[in-house]
Amino acid sequence: AQSVTQLGSHVSVSEGALVLLRCNYSSSVPPYLFWYVQYPNQGLQLLLKYTSAATLVKGINGFEAEFKKSETSFHLTKPSAHMSDAAEYFCAVSGRGGGGTSYGKLTFGQGTILTVHP
Amino acid sequence: GAVVSQHPSRVICKSGTSVKIECRSLDFQATTMFWYRQFPKQSLMLMATSNEGSKATYEQGVEKDKFLINHASLTLSTLTVTSAHPEDSSFYICSARLAGGPPDTQYFGPGTRLTVL
Repeated sequence: AQSVTQLGSHVSVSEGALVLLRCNYSSSVPPYLFWYVQYPNQGLQLLLKYTSAATLVKGINGFEAEFKKSETSFHLTKPSAHMSDAAEYFCAVSGRGGGGTSYGKLTFGQGTILTVHP
Repeated sequence: GAVVSQHPSRVICKSGTSVKIECRSLDFQATTMFWYRQFPKQSLMLMATSNEGSKATYEQGVEKDKFLINHASLTLSTLTVTSAHPEDSSFYICSARLAGGPPDTQYFGPGTRLTVL
């Protein structure tokens, strides 16, 4: 079984400020972890993913996330927000290998809407 | 590369009619495609996993007779919402996994907005 909890359905920051979007996961098997971004009425775009290599993962558009097993967290950060970062962000988890029921299936968090103020 | 399209992007239909949504992988072959549903202000919920040449696997609580999935080729999966009702109004998103590619990678389509009157 796997689940994802995103703390904070809405986050508002000023342009140039640090962006921190929180994600905690639960998984009965070693997880793959993902962050996706969704712009209005569009599908999802992959920002970054953790698949067991380095725990600090760098993605597109200056975003990065750190996998912390002890905290079961995978928070998304960006040092300096830009107006174009305003969107909804989803954290997701899937199970690794083994062919279990969670293998390759994504379970999404509830989403966090990021607003960037000038 | 790795582009997934969906057609139509928006559809409005009357209650009781059926609607077909297509999901295509444009520049790669996909043995597995996934169908998600997203209600307003909610997350994506996996409805079913579609494997080319075999029956789809539905998630718990999803009616397979209402949401018919056909994955007839390595580049096309279709979702048919049969006898649609207003509560079926939602944003339907598909994703595709590259044949032979890493299982952790899915490419998402732009979504289809279904409104049932």
